[in-house]
Amino acid sequence: GQNIDQPTEMTATEGAIVQINCTYQTSGFNGLFWYQQHAGEAPTFLSYNVLDGLEEKGRFSSFLSRSKGYSYLLLKELQMKDSASYLCAFSPRGAGNNRKLIWGLGTSLAVNP
Amino acid sequence: GAGVSQSPRYKVAKRGQDVALRCDPISGHVSLFWYQQALGQGPEFLTYFQNEAQLDKSGLPSDRFFAERPEGSVSTLKIQRTQQEDSAVYLCASSFSNTGELFFGEGSRLTVL
Repeated sequence: GQNIDQPTEMTATEGAIVQINCTYQTSGFNGLFWYQQHAGEAPTFLSYNVLDGLEEKGRFSSFLSRSKGYSYLLLKELQMKDSASYLCAFSPRGAGNNRKLIWGLGTSLAVNP
Repeated sequence: GAGVSQSPRYKVAKRGQDVALRCDPISGHVSLFWYQQALGQGPEFLTYFQNEAQLDKSGLPSDRFFAERPEGSVSTLKIQRTQQEDSAVYLCASSFSNTGELFFGEGSRLTVL
């Protein structure tokens, strides 16, 4: 089958670094996405990893290991506005289109002062 | 417009009532997706359009759900004889191509009483 696991909730302090992990099971996929979703708002795109390794984009970085079925999102210099849900999703190979994404339940991150 | 626009933002329906949810994608975006997101869950795929063609409707939960995009731009998701389990946020997303970043609308929150 295909599924994604990520922690339900995390708490961190303003200015700190937090790593949100995501593990997945699938027979094959095109790439792995991370989205940010504030309460009551639409998900917004953060990153897309196709190859193994770390991709850095400002304060946010995303890592993928296909062999381990594992990804993480790293948030540095946390700000209060980073309090949101972080959703991990992958695009299964052979799904017919690249955007029939399989989503995790999301990790709710609370940043405290 | 500047982003994906959905209407209505909030809809309260009595059980058995029909509802129609509208999505206006970003101009020029070929691909359009509908997702259903229950509280505390990740989005669940409903259907996918490429221009006016509905290429995948495998996620529609029952024949009470119907989606169309007759001119390859605006899309409507119709739910007939609504049930309480239909209560969710319905997200529309569009992308320029099949491999491009997905841009989400703010969603239509449907509550069925």
